[in-house]
Amino acid sequence: QQQVKQSPQSLIVQKGGISIINCAYENTAFDYFPWYQQFPGKGPALLIAIRPDVSEKKEGRFTISFNKSAKQFSLHIMDSQPGDSATYFCAASSAGGTSYGKLTFGQGTILTVHP
Amino acid sequence: DAGVTQSPTHLIKTRGQHVTLRCSPISGHKSVSWYQQVLGQGPQFIFQYYEKEERGRGNFPDRFSARQFPNYSSELNVNALLLGDSALYLCASSFWTSLSYNSPLHFGNGTRLTVT
Repeated sequence: QQQVKQSPQSLIVQKGGISIINCAYENTAFDYFPWYQQFPGKGPALLIAIRPDVSEKKEGRFTISFNKSAKQFSLHIMDSQPGDSATYFCAASSAGGTSYGKLTFGQGTILTVHP
Repeated sequence: DAGVTQSPTHLIKTRGQHVTLRCSPISGHKSVSWYQQVLGQGPQFIFQYYEKEERGRGNFPDRFSARQFPNYSSELNVNALLLGDSALYLCASSFWTSLSYNSPLHFGNGTRLTVT
């Protein structure tokens, strides 16, 4: 019940295209959903995050769509650029008990944007 | 501005040995978390410390321990190393408190541990 399932494992997109990465969760106590970007040899960096009281959040070319009833959320990267090539992780967390401060990550999606 | 700093960057140990990894949080951050990232997978939560107290523990054996110092830096210790402990160990800091539990995590670049 603590898992976050992410798909696809890898994604190849042409420059200027839209990249879409999906995540699904089971734990209804999750109430914070961030996306992280990780380049080789670096730690994950926060891209954008959403809480379940909104269905969409946009920051620049990055948009999170959230479907509470389906327990799914997705990351859309508009006008994808070669510099966006990285591994993307969705994550989730909840308050309370031993879950304080704990992020549960998806398995990651390797995005390659071809010029 | 200095981000989260971790040392060493790379480490090679032999099975059965002990290892200590170190982390300095971003100035002003009192919460430090540790994650293990096995190659090709997402990070897995190990510990969270806030104000020098353990606030969360993941599903890791007792061979893993950590502590936080008065200056909010932290150490992760792993005893009796196994081959399966080979991974990237990530430290993250945040403004986390029990009232603002969703403060963004800022990760360091990790320590790459190889156990042979």
